[in-house]
Amino acid sequence: ETGVTQSPTHLIKTRGQQVTLRCSSQSGHNTVSWYQQALGQGPQFIFQYYREEENGRGNFPPRFSGLQFPNYSSELNVNALELDDSALYLCASTGTGTSRGTDTQYFGPGTRLTVL
Amino acid sequence: QKEVEQNSGPLSVPEGAIASLNCTYSDRGSQSFFWYRQYSGKSPELIMFIYSNGDKEDGRFTAQLNKASQYVSLLIRDSQPSDSATYLCAVSGTNAGKSTFGDGTTLTVKP
Repeated sequence: ETGVTQSPTHLIKTRGQQVTLRCSSQSGHNTVSWYQQALGQGPQFIFQYYREEENGRGNFPPRFSGLQFPNYSSELNVNALELDDSALYLCASTGTGTSRGTDTQYFGPGTRLTVL
Repeated sequence: QKEVEQNSGPLSVPEGAIASLNCTYSDRGSQSFFWYRQYSGKSPELIMFIYSNGDKEDGRFTAQLNKASQYVSLLIRDSQPSDSATYLCAVSGTNAGKSTFGDGTTLTVKP
């Protein structure tokens, strides 16, 4: 168990709808990253939030947006859902894992989104 | 060409054998290298990280890094059926939360 939690576990939506996914980071971690993992592929970086500000974004359109709250929990919002948005959405919190100060990240259980 | 490439698999080894998983990356500025294990239907679990050239051992797992060749590998000794999973290689700078992943290699350990 990493201490990172996500909700809901599963979600079914129809094309064009909007969805909000939630994540609570591991205690002491102030950085949250979101990834999309399509079936048979590795996770793809969507964006990262650090102290409530976006801190980098991958190659995803603006209809993917996020928030981070003062308690470091986070939301991922996806508007105008498309069939290709069907995937496992992973939240990861990042903490300093070594004396070098380099981060390691720990994943939550994920939210499985199906778009029909 | 993908930024992180892993041997395509699937890889099948008998119980007790050594499993060798390979990964190459394209960004020479990469500084941090990770191996995750992902069981079917579950999220990735960090099993090893390595930052310096050479070998790093942790129990039955050994990670090897060669920055000149842009190559990182994972060896699993005395493979067990419980090691059957998809192994993901990930690469980043100092911020692990911005990792680039390969598509994984699926390992099956046969009793």
